[in-house]
Amino acid sequence: KAGVTQTPRYLIKTRGQQVTLSCSPISGHRSVSWYQQTPGQGLQFLFEYFSETQRNKGNFPGRFSGRQFSNSRSEMNVSTLELGDSALYLCASSFGQGPGKLFFGSGTQLSVL
Amino acid sequence: QKEVEQNSGPLSVPEGAIASLNCTYSDRVSQSFFWYRQYSGKSPELIMSIYSNGDKEDGRFTAQLNKASQYVSLLIRDSQPSDSATYLCAVNREDGGSQGNLIFGKGTKLSVKP
Repeated sequence: KAGVTQTPRYLIKTRGQQVTLSCSPISGHRSVSWYQQTPGQGLQFLFEYFSETQRNKGNFPGRFSGRQFSNSRSEMNVSTLELGDSALYLCASSFGQGPGKLFFGSGTQLSVL
Repeated sequence: QKEVEQNSGPLSVPEGAIASLNCTYSDRVSQSFFWYRQYSGKSPELIMSIYSNGDKEDGRFTAQLNKASQYVSLLIRDSQPSDSATYLCAVNREDGGSQGNLIFGKGTKLSVKP
């Protein structure tokens, strides 16, 4: 069974630009969550989608948004990039039977210059 | 008070020793607890879950939970250099619900010396 696939693996952007990250979950998994990981803050929850609906959202500004498609694939968008958005963005999928048992993708390393 | 606290380490143990990783959490209603391992440059992977007080063993790994003390730990017996990684404790604040209720600690870096 294929794992969680995230693209692209690396991104370099400049301040003010926007970026879209993509995530394909494990086949059969209906829940997709997004996390931001930085050395200082650790893993921070961004949002979760389940059956195309946002189920929960973390404490991030509205510049961070996402969506999920009918095939469970998900995208995350960050608009008006700031230097502080530089981080590893991880997508995780789960079957949907409650929190905790997450399968993470390899992540997208975003650098904002 | 931070919701999930871990000693950042690094925790250094010799090969073959027992590594003990600790985690405390602040929310008394927390229901389920998880340990993830993250190798440098890689993504986290789930290694243990525990839901009730006591010990849960899986191979060389033992998770221990004490809800009264709001404390969860991970013991790694016969530590190997391949166990060198950052270990993340994750706590679910309520039963069921979304992944938004899952709070991660910042992790403890473990180094196993040959």
